[in-house]
Amino acid sequence: RKEVEQDPGPFNVPEGATVAFNCTYSNSASQSFFWYRQDCRKEPKLLMSVYSSGNEDGRFTAQLNRASQYISLLIRDSKLSDSATYLCVVNMQSRGSTLGRLYFGRGTQLTVWP
Amino acid sequence: EADIYQTPRYLVIGTGKKITLECSQTMGHDKMYWYQQDPGMELHLIHYSYGVNSTEKGDLSSESTVSRIRTEHFPLTLESARPSHTSQYLCASNLGQNTEAFFGQGTRLTVV
Repeated sequence: RKEVEQDPGPFNVPEGATVAFNCTYSNSASQSFFWYRQDCRKEPKLLMSVYSSGNEDGRFTAQLNRASQYISLLIRDSKLSDSATYLCVVNMQSRGSTLGRLYFGRGTQLTVWP
Repeated sequence: EADIYQTPRYLVIGTGKKITLECSQTMGHDKMYWYQQDPGMELHLIHYSYGVNSTEKGDLSSESTVSRIRTEHFPLTLESARPSHTSQYLCASNLGQNTEAFFGQGTRLTVV
């Protein structure tokens, strides 16, 4: 089992739609969580951190459920410019070590069409 | 904008050549990472470092090697490039346990 698992996608939605991405992680002791966005042939960039109480940034809402080891990203009123790959990222202890490192999900591709 | 830089941005090189991909950051980050990514595919961690003189192999086996002699510098070396090494290589860094990572713009390597 991979440390971070994401919805396989791809998601193809019309402009204005609401879309939700889910992600599960394996280590219950994980402390920090992020959503990244990666445009085609570009480097990943931070979209938002995910806080325990949930957080919102404009049309984007991130939620964390520690009991289920699950995080989510909700995008409301989708825009054409939201088309990208969304990566779930969790900072957890690496195998055989007490030190943490980042684990990336494989990403979920979103295409918003007019 | 993140202060993490990769050079070269693009490299086309012949089989058997030795290459070094450079990655530098001026943010004082202790953790640095190298990822390999083919077009449309997921990121694969190939090396990471917790700090100076610390290097670890990542999740994907790689014939490349890395060094971390200075905090700001994390070069990746391929002793003998092969066509199978053709890919995009992305460098990233972060500060501590719970901080986000910043990525360089990547090096697109083509071995012919």
